[in-house]
Amino acid sequence: DSGVTQTPKHLITATGQRVTLRCSPRSGDLSVYWYQQSLDQGLQFLIQYYNGEERAKGNILERFSAQQFPDLHSELNLSSLELGDSALYFCASSSLALGAKETQYFGPGTRLLVL
Amino acid sequence: GENVEQHPSTLSVQEGDSAVIKCTYSDSASNYFPWYKQELGKGPQLIIDIRSNVGEKKDQRIAVTLNKTAKHFSLHITETQPEDSAVYFCAASIGVWGSQGNLIFGKGTKLSVKP
Repeated sequence: DSGVTQTPKHLITATGQRVTLRCSPRSGDLSVYWYQQSLDQGLQFLIQYYNGEERAKGNILERFSAQQFPDLHSELNLSSLELGDSALYFCASSSLALGAKETQYFGPGTRLLVL
Repeated sequence: GENVEQHPSTLSVQEGDSAVIKCTYSDSASNYFPWYKQELGKGPQLIIDIRSNVGEKKDQRIAVTLNKTAKHFSLHITETQPEDSAVYFCAASIGVWGSQGNLIFGKGTKLSVKP
């Protein structure tokens, strides 16, 4: 158990809909990362937040957005869903404190199926 | 941007044999190289990592080597066991203390250890 929690575990929805994925980082970790895992693209970085602020952006579509709240949990919002958005979405967290290990710990993921 | 190539995509070995997975990266500024193991239905789990100021690191049956000049790094698993069967991912990132960059992952290697 990495200490990172994600809900829901599974999500089935229809094209055009909007969903919200939730992540709680390990206790004490200030940084949260979102990754998408699909069969053809592998594990791809989407976006990173650090202590409530966006730190880095990867291959995140404009239909997707994220935020990190004062209690450090994060939400990934996916809107106008398409069939191709079906994938596993992982959240990871790390400390980023000076002198801390840079290890990213991954949650169990949310499996999204768009029908 | 950074690109990570991983080979082979599948690897089958007999129990007790060694397994080697190789990765190359493109950005010479990358300085952190973790390896993750992903079992079916679970999130990636860090198994070993290495920073660019170290050439080799070992943890029991697992070792990682890094050749900065050639920009490649490898995972070595000795005395393989059936429970080592999983998908292994290499990754690279650019980070300094307090500012960990996002991970760029290889496509993964599916390791099967036959009893």
